[in-house]
Amino acid sequence: NAGVTQTPKFQVLKTGQSMTLQCAQDMNHEYMSWYRQDPGMGLRLIHYSVGAGITDQGEVPNGYNVSRSTTEDFPLRLLSAAPSQTSVYFCASSYSGQSYEQYFGPGTRLTVT
Amino acid sequence: AQTVTQSQPEMSVQEAETVTLSCTYDTSENNYYLFWYKQPPSRQMILVIRQEAYKQQNATENRFSVNFQKAAKSFSLKISDSQLGDTAMYFCAFMKQRGRRNNDMRFGAGTRLTVKP
Repeated sequence: NAGVTQTPKFQVLKTGQSMTLQCAQDMNHEYMSWYRQDPGMGLRLIHYSVGAGITDQGEVPNGYNVSRSTTEDFPLRLLSAAPSQTSVYFCASSYSGQSYEQYFGPGTRLTVT
Repeated sequence: AQTVTQSQPEMSVQEAETVTLSCTYDTSENNYYLFWYKQPPSRQMILVIRQEAYKQQNATENRFSVNFQKAAKSFSLKISDSQLGDTAMYFCAFMKQRGRRNNDMRFGAGTRLTVKP
């Protein structure tokens, strides 16, 4: 199993550009989430999904869109990038059972200039 | 909303010694789960240990153990016989019992631990 994969690993955008961060998991997990990590603030939840076709907002959803058309994929879209979205982005997935453990991808470092 | 506080931004410990990282949280929930994640310089998030709030017994995983004080809303991590490979950021995290549409994990700001030779 590859686990949780994220592409790209690094990305530089100009203000106003759009892009999609890709996330895929091969563990048949129902739950998937996107977090951003900023210095001194830990990880903050952007959006999450509890199954295909179902998404919800997390703590910091503004400026980001998500969709979940398949169990495996959960892309994160930045519609108009802003310097405040410079961060490291993590995708995570978890089983719907009782362990609640989240499996994280390797992260994407995004810089918006 | 639940909040998680890690009051120690940085800590250091000598190799082979014991260190304790602190975490407190605020919630009105009775059923929830607590976690410690390790993030080495590689950036990968690795689960260290997990505690279910309904269990009174403190969780242990080899050299890692927790002191879970539910009434005090405290969840500290003890690392025994510290090794150089334990050098990392450590995050405390909270998740309330999952409902049909809940997958909200909250993290503390992290503690950077350095193990010195």
